This record gives sequence, C-alpha cells and structure tokens, in this order.
Amino acid sequence: GQQLNQSPQSMFIQEGEDVSMNCTSSSIFNTWLWYKQDPGEGPVLLIALYKAGELTSNGRLTAQFGITRKDSFLNISASIPSDVGIYFCAGRIRGNAGNMLTFGGGTRLMVKP
Amino acid sequence: GAGVSQSPSNKVTEKGKDVELRCDPISGHTALYWYRQSLGQGLEFLIYFQGNSAPDKSGLPSDRFSAERTGGSVSTLTIQRTQQEDSAVYLCASSLAIGYEQYFGPGTRLTVT
Repeated sequence: GQQLNQSPQSMFIQEGEDVSMNCTSSSIFNTWLWYKQDPGEGPVLLIALYKAGELTSNGRLTAQFGITRKDSFLNISASIPSDVGIYFCAGRIRGNAGNMLTFGGGTRLMVKP
Repeated sequence: GAGVSQSPSNKVTEKGKDVELRCDPISGHTALYWYRQSLGQGLEFLIYFQGNSAPDKSGLPSDRFSAERTGGSVSTLTIQRTQQEDSAVYLCASSLAIGYEQYFGPGTRLTVT
C-alpha cells in the first residue's frame, strides 16, 4: 500500500522553541491532514489542507501542502509543554473510495529535561 | 455534542478467545471507519462503512476479523481466535459522510496474552 514517510520520528523541545516536522510520499495526495494524539486518546485533527501550495494556520500551528502534492510540513511556533504528544500526518488520494486515510508513522514530541 | 465513543477502553484476553469491540459514532455521521494502531506505530486502515454496508473489506488483516454495522449507527469489530499479534489499539472514527473529515474515538487497547 501507499507509504507516508514522516520525520523526525522523535524530537526533544525546550519551551519556547519552534518545531518543524514533515511528511513525504511517492504518491500524489489531494488532501493532507495533521493530527495530534495524546496518551490514551484518539488522534485529534489539527489542520486540513486541500490545495497544492495551500498554507494554513491554526494558532501557533502552520501547515503547508507541497506544490508537488507529495509532501507536507507542520510548524509549531513558540512551543509550550502541552504541545508534547505524537503528531501524525495523513493523506488521502484522489478518487480514493471510502475516504481512506494513509497515516505516517508519527513524530513524538518530548520536553527536554 | 458527544464525540465518538468506544468500549471497552481496555480488553485483556487469552489467545484463542473471541473479542468484540464496539464503536458509537457521532450522531448523524453516516460513515464509520476502523483503524488499528500497533505500539509506537501509525494507524493502519481496516474497514469503513457507508451506512450499513462495507464496500471494501480488503484492509482486514485476516478472515478472523469481521465487522458489522446495524441501523446505520453502532458498529462492532469482532476478532475470532485472537493471536498475540492482534494486540494493539483499535480506533474508530466517523464522518458526516464520505469525503468529510474523520473524528476519532479514544480507542480500545487490546492485549492478547
């Protein structure tokens, strides 16, 4: 099946730092989504992108839909402790029956001790 | 309003036993999806329902897995003769209809001993 490569797999942050993560694919997607998952919870949708080149912000979060439609990035500015969690990218392929999402492996965000 | 709910939240079962996992979608959502998340991994799509029908069952890992949805609402995912490799978090999501964004439940953590 389709693969989404998400990087980095994990990262440590200090409060106040900016964070960047990205997803790439060998397939063209017509939708990119970014989710955050806290322990013991299901993923929560953060940002949805529908057009190539689209740049969308949600508070301190900014995400972009790559021009090639094969990549997307998520930036978090001025990180705070509650940003800790696992971030997943997900994509949907044009004409994909059932609205099926393909997920990346996740980026685990942790706080530096 | 109420989100997607799943039960049980945790299930420990012995190898070889059958288990049933339940999902209550958001009221009015016609599409329902099941995913599996192994420890530290991304989400693996299993099956989706549009109304009561499941047009594509190819994502189910084996014939021990089945799912049904009655009355266009509650869905159950059944795993027969459980194996240790079935241990994972099973997540359910629903959307208003196919093509709309998916909202996830908290998941059922299944442990097969």
